[in-house]
Amino acid sequence: TQLLEQSPQFLSIQEGENLTVYCNSSSVFSSLQWYRQEPGEGPVLLVTVVTGGEVKKLKRLTFQFGDARKDSSLHITAAQPGDTGLYLCAGANDMRFGAGTRLTVKP
Amino acid sequence: GAGVSQSPSNKVTEKGKDVELRCDPISGHTALYWYRQSLGQGLEFLIYFQGNSAPDKSGLPSDRFSAERTGGSVSTLTIQRTQQEDSAVYLCASSFGGGAEQYFGPGTRLTVT
Repeated sequence: TQLLEQSPQFLSIQEGENLTVYCNSSSVFSSLQWYRQEPGEGPVLLVTVVTGGEVKKLKRLTFQFGDARKDSSLHITAAQPGDTGLYLCAGANDMRFGAGTRLTVKP
Repeated sequence: GAGVSQSPSNKVTEKGKDVELRCDPISGHTALYWYRQSLGQGLEFLIYFQGNSAPDKSGLPSDRFSAERTGGSVSTLTIQRTQQEDSAVYLCASSFGGGAEQYFGPGTRLTVT
């Protein structure tokens, strides 16, 4: 089992601020996925990163996969209340998810 | 097309009773997963089915939990002699294969009184 540690566990910010959340492991992943879960719903895939050093952008969200493929980050620019949710990372090698970062963006 | 569906959406049961939770995956998806999510927590892996292979049961918390997948499609998660600590949302997901994007159902909220 490859453990994924996510930080911070909780994050509460004002609308318009920038933020970065992290997903770290001591293991190498062939690819890593980021999901967002809104209250009362199941998680929804945001992105899959595959290549070490890869950067993917999804509107105001920027995902980076570490060069060694052991870690990843998610940066949100000018956060909006609609970004509120639980952000989860998961290694594609494995069915385990990190514990998630619970983000609240206040208007 | 139809997504992953789960039933019931809510289940309240008395301690000691058995419950069955159902998952209908997306047609054609060979992989099916069950997770448990306690209030305010992340996802806890329970069990994984891939095609005709033996399921990965390594996440089941006790022998009171079991799951089956009939005909490579519908899956049922059974919890015997439920305990209060079993109260959680049980999420099912399916995918085209292991490691592919998982599509989640809305979950079954189980409350054990």
